[in-house]
Amino acid sequence: GENVEQHPSTLSVQEGDSAVIKCTYSDSASNYFPWYKQELGKRPQLIIDIRSNVGEKKDQRIAVTLNKTAKHFSLHITETQPEDSAVYFCAAKRDSWGKFQFGAGTQVVVTP
Amino acid sequence: GAGVSQSPRYKVAKRGQDVALRCDPISGHVSLFWYQQALGQGPEFLTYFQNEAQLDKSGLPSDRFFAERPEGSVSTLKIQRTQQEDSAVYLCASSPNTGELFFGEGSRLTVL
Repeated sequence: GENVEQHPSTLSVQEGDSAVIKCTYSDSASNYFPWYKQELGKRPQLIIDIRSNVGEKKDQRIAVTLNKTAKHFSLHITETQPEDSAVYFCAAKRDSWGKFQFGAGTQVVVTP
Repeated sequence: GAGVSQSPRYKVAKRGQDVALRCDPISGHVSLFWYQQALGQGPEFLTYFQNEAQLDKSGLPSDRFFAERPEGSVSTLKIQRTQQEDSAVYLCASSPNTGELFFGEGSRLTVL
């Protein structure tokens, strides 16, 4: 079945620096790749997503890149701020109706 | 309501008790998912409904776990004869046919 691996498990960055989180997936039929942010005690919330017909997508300080050949995708956060501190999860899904498989998460800590 | 609503938010059960967790999805969302999230881990898929049909229950850990969505809206996850390893946050999410998941706040189950 689908397996999603996420690295690193923890990431500490200085405010203003960039953060990069990488995920790999096993199911080559996956075609939708969202990223969720979960603050402590809160629900996961979608921050950006990408579909397999696109290689890169940007939204202000966050961007996601997808390499379908290598089956990996990455989240990039530029000019990090303390409010970016949270756990970030990547996920992969096969089709419009299938289940989402999540990575184990990355704890991002942005220090002032 | 404006979002996915789950109840109870917190549940403490003695080992062996049965529990029922409720999820009210966003109105009109066809798909509904249940995930189990252990401390410091990513959400693990339990089961998935499309309207009232349970299309995938491959993630349910044992036959003590049962989920239903009889009218294609509200869903209940039932855990019989709870064990300590069932302690986790149970997340419900609903989705329109765009693919994006909208999560509830979760139900935190502690089994003593």
